[in-house]
Amino acid sequence: NAGVTQTPKFRVLKTGQSMTLLCAQDMNHEYMYWYRQDPGMGLRLIHYSVGEGTTAKGEVPDGYNVSRLKKQNFLLGLESAAPSQTSVYFCASSYSDLGLAGGNEQFFGPGTRLTVL
Amino acid sequence: AQSVTQLDSQVPVFEEAPVELRCNYSSSVSVYLFWYVQYPNQGLQLLLKYLSGSTLVKSINGFEAEFNKSQTSFHLRKPSVHISDTAEYFCAVKRGTASKLTFGTGTRLQVTL
Repeated sequence: NAGVTQTPKFRVLKTGQSMTLLCAQDMNHEYMYWYRQDPGMGLRLIHYSVGEGTTAKGEVPDGYNVSRLKKQNFLLGLESAAPSQTSVYFCASSYSDLGLAGGNEQFFGPGTRLTVL
Repeated sequence: AQSVTQLDSQVPVFEEAPVELRCNYSSSVSVYLFWYVQYPNQGLQLLLKYLSGSTLVKSINGFEAEFNKSQTSFHLRKPSVHISDTAEYFCAVKRGTASKLTFGTGTRLQVTL
């Protein structure tokens, strides 16, 4: 059981370049999330998904797009990278709330460190 | 709207001393509360959570947190810290019907000899 994995671990982009971050989970979780972590700001939710084929915006969605074509994968795309998108990106997943009184734990991946020059 | 406040960005403490990391939240509906820990260069791991029932919850490595509804707080405590507890700690809140967490800005616990 690998849990939540993220690819790549590190990446350096130039302003204007595009890239896709891949998140995969093998726990059959319905929900998946993308966060960014910046010093002094904690984790901020970018986009999330409550099931295959669905996506929704979080707190800071601008400049990012996501897709959830398969239940186990959640992709985060940057179409035209900007220096403000330099950050550490974390993916997380969890079971749905149904029948669990809201107590589902989110499981996190190891993170992707992205630098945009 | 709900928010989570962790007033202390850094907490330095000597090994074997007690520590309290503070977390306050605001919400107009019932909440579920979590503490996550992030060791250097790693992802977040769940430390403990409050869902319902006893307001005092404990982790396997000696941390505990108490849900105080009147003060809207969920402070994390440990009576005697170890060097290995050095990490960043995040408080998070989830509303009953929501599918997402709101995180605080984190508290960096630095334990020294």
